[in-house]
Order: sequence, then structure tokens, then C-alpha cells
Amino acid sequence: DSGVTQTPKHLITATGQRVTLRCSPRSGDLSVYWYQQSLDQGLQFLIQYYNGEERAKGNILERFSAQQFPDLHSELNLSSLELGDSALYFCASSYSSYNEQFFGPGTRLTVL
Amino acid sequence: AQSVSQHNHHVILSEAASLELGCNYSYGGTVNLFWYVQYPGQHLQLLLKYFSGDPLVKGIKGFEAEFIKSKFSFNLRKPSVQWSDTAEYFCAVIDSWGKLQFGAGTQVVVTP
Repeated sequence: DSGVTQTPKHLITATGQRVTLRCSPRSGDLSVYWYQQSLDQGLQFLIQYYNGEERAKGNILERFSAQQFPDLHSELNLSSLELGDSALYFCASSYSSYNEQFFGPGTRLTVL
Repeated sequence: AQSVSQHNHHVILSEAASLELGCNYSYGGTVNLFWYVQYPGQHLQLLLKYFSGDPLVKGIKGFEAEFIKSKFSFNLRKPSVQWSDTAEYFCAVIDSWGKLQFGAGTQVVVTP
């Protein structure tokens, strides 16, 4: 157990819908990262937050957005969902940008 | 732009064989280096890390990695693999600005 929690574990929804994925970092970690993992794209970095502020952006679509709240938990919002958005979404946390990341168990999103 | 290259996408080997996975990065400054492992159906877990000091780093489960600064490499090794080492292995690099880059991953299959 890494100490990073993600909810829900599984999510099944339809195209065009909007979902919210939630992540709670390890106690003491200030940075939260979101990743998308699929068979065809592999592991893709989406976005990083540090202490409530956006720190870095990766291959995140405009339909996707995220935020980190004062209690440091983070939410990833995915809207206008497409079939191709079906993937595993991992959250990771670290104390700072220079430390190792600890990954959560992931949310498996299926878009039908 | 910084990049991380893992030489092999798939490796198949027999139990007790030795494993070496290559990782090269393009950034010329100070880096922090990591190897992560993802067992089937699980999240990424840290195998080992290098920040400074002895370039030969020992991690969990009998893995080790060697940092060769002149070659921009951080290769992962295990002298004798087991069936339970079947997993995907990711090399990751953090540069001096705290930017993290993952390699594409190497799928390792160990046959009994």
C-alpha cells in the first residue's frame, strides 16, 4: 500500500458524459500527478499540482481539467467523453518535484 | 527537450537467466533517476532510485542499477530472474528543474 488512495476503482459511463476522479495523496506529500495508461498510448503524464497550484502540464486534452484543493486532495475531471478515453488513470504523489512518486491503485474508466 | 529511451520494448527470458534493461536519457545536467515496476494488474511501484553518491544502486527484490554519467545511462540488472519478475519496467528521470520524464516501458516475461 503506497498511501495514495483513488476513488472510484472502476467507472463505466457513456460517450459524451462527464466524470470526476478523486485522489488523496500520501500524508505530507505536496505534489499530485495524474497519468493515463492505455494499451496503445502507454503511460502518459497529464498534469502536476504542487500545493494547490498547477506546476506542469503534459499530454492533457482540453476536455480534461484538474485541481488540487487546500487539503491537498485532487480531482481530475473528464468531460465529453469519447471511446478513446477508456484507460487506467493513475494518481501519484511526492513530497516535492525532485522526489520519487508513489502511485495509487488507479481508476479504470470504461467509456461505452 | 529531455527524453528517456528504453532500448527494449519486450524481453522474454527463462527463469534463472540474467536480466539487463537499458535506459538512456538526454538531459546533460544533474538528474535524479528511478526504476519503477508494474506487475500485471497493479500500479507502479518504486524499485530503486539514484540521487547521488555510489553509482551502483541496490533496490528491492534483488534488482540493482548502475548510473554511468558519461553514457547518460541508468541500466537495470538482476542476476537471476524468477517467474514473479514478469512485469513492465519503467525508467524515469527528473531534471534539475524538477521535470519528470518516464521511458516507454519494457515488458518483461519470464518463462518457467
